[in-house]
Amino acid sequence: QVQLVESGGGVVQPGRSLRLSCAASGFTFSTHGMHWVRQAPGKGLEWVAVISYDGSDKFYADSVKGRFTISRDNSKNTLYLQMNSLRAEDTAVYYCAKDLHIPIVDYWGQGTLVTVSS
Amino acid sequence: QSALTQPASVSGSPGQSIAISCTGTNSDIGAYNYVSWYQQHPGKAPKLMIYEVSNRPSGVSNRFSGSKSGNTASLTISGLQAEDEADYYCSAYTTSSTRVFGGGTKLTVL
Repeated sequence: QVQLVESGGGVVQPGRSLRLSCAASGFTFSTHGMHWVRQAPGKGLEWVAVISYDGSDKFYADSVKGRFTISRDNSKNTLYLQMNSLRAEDTAVYYCAKDLHIPIVDYWGQGTLVTVSS
Repeated sequence: QSALTQPASVSGSPGQSIAISCTGTNSDIGAYNYVSWYQQHPGKAPKLMIYEVSNRPSGVSNRFSGSKSGNTASLTISGLQAEDEADYYCSAYTTSSTRVFGGGTKLTVL
């Protein structure tokens, strides 16, 4: 079955960087678009970024544009999120999620918590 | 990239039906039929309940249904059960190729 396992979360100081990873299994990773979605403590879901199946197209939320970079390695079935210039408001659980073969997210990982604090 | 608008909370008694609305714009809900709904229990990852406005994934109860009119989508849950108590989020694909979520609706089963 589909498995998405995020890693790389933790506590980081404002202004520093962090890279999240998402290991995928149970489906053909190289044929699906992939997303990062975050959820601040006690708040709703916020879409962060999407990357096409082959990595050629990437789109970002305005709140992270220019600071975050989504990427993928189809040979390793892994999705990444490079987060630079982190701010307190980036504190959230970050979920990795996959698209159906249409622009709809169908499966989510269990998330990894990122806390930005001095 | 404004969030879609959902009521903060809805409630109903077991066996009743409730509806949750989700209002967007001509650039998201009104532009395509790529509207989806997710259920999230506390501490858990979201689960897809409805996709492409009204389609149910395999394994999702037929008590869940979706619809859309113009820039507003709706999720209806019939025959409410205690396990339906959760947060519900709508989502849509936008004309900028991004995604947008609603603010979430807390469903309480009385």
